[in-house]
Amino acid sequence: RKEVEQDPGPFNVPEGATVAFNCTYSNSASQSFFWYRQDCRKEPKLLMSVYSSGNEDGRFTAQLNRASQYISLLIRDSKLSDSATYLCVVNGAAGNKLTFGGGTRVLVKP
Amino acid sequence: NAGVTQTPKFQVLKTGQSMTLQCAQDMNHNSMYWYRQDPGMGLRLIYYSASEGTTDKGEVPNGYNVSRLNKREFSLRLESAAPSQTSVYFCASGRDRVGNNEQFFGPGTRLTVL
Repeated sequence: RKEVEQDPGPFNVPEGATVAFNCTYSNSASQSFFWYRQDCRKEPKLLMSVYSSGNEDGRFTAQLNRASQYISLLIRDSKLSDSATYLCVVNGAAGNKLTFGGGTRVLVKP
Repeated sequence: NAGVTQTPKFQVLKTGQSMTLQCAQDMNHNSMYWYRQDPGMGLRLIYYSASEGTTDKGEVPNGYNVSRLNKREFSLRLESAAPSQTSVYFCASGRDRVGNNEQFFGPGTRLTVL
């Protein structure tokens, strides 16, 4: 089983709609969780950290479920510019190493 | 601030050739990392350096060596390139805040080994 698993998609989303997707992780000792965004042929960039109580950043909401070992990302009022691959990232209990999921591709269409 | 810079942006090698990928960061970060990204595989850690003077193996270190030249620079060397090393290579640097160690990535090097 991969340490971090994501549905590769693509999720085809009409502009203005809401889309949500999950990521599961296998290491129950993981302490830090992130969503990164990666545009085609570009480097990954931090979208948001994921906190235990859940957090929101504008149209983006992230949730953490430690009992079931998954994190989620919800995008409201999708924009064309939200089209990208979203990478789920988890770190282990020790050190600064991060483990990346394979990414979920989102395509927002007019 | 330039952030994380990488050179070269593109490279084509023949099997058996060697090359060094350069990475530098100007954010005064202690940690630096080398990843490779292949279709369907996500980013995989090759080597990392938690601080100046230290390096450690990641998930896929075979065929690579690294040098942490100083706090700013972290290079990745392919001694004898193989077609299996065709990939996109990303360098990253990270803050060291406990529990929130986000990383910042360079633009990547697209390497093809023939």
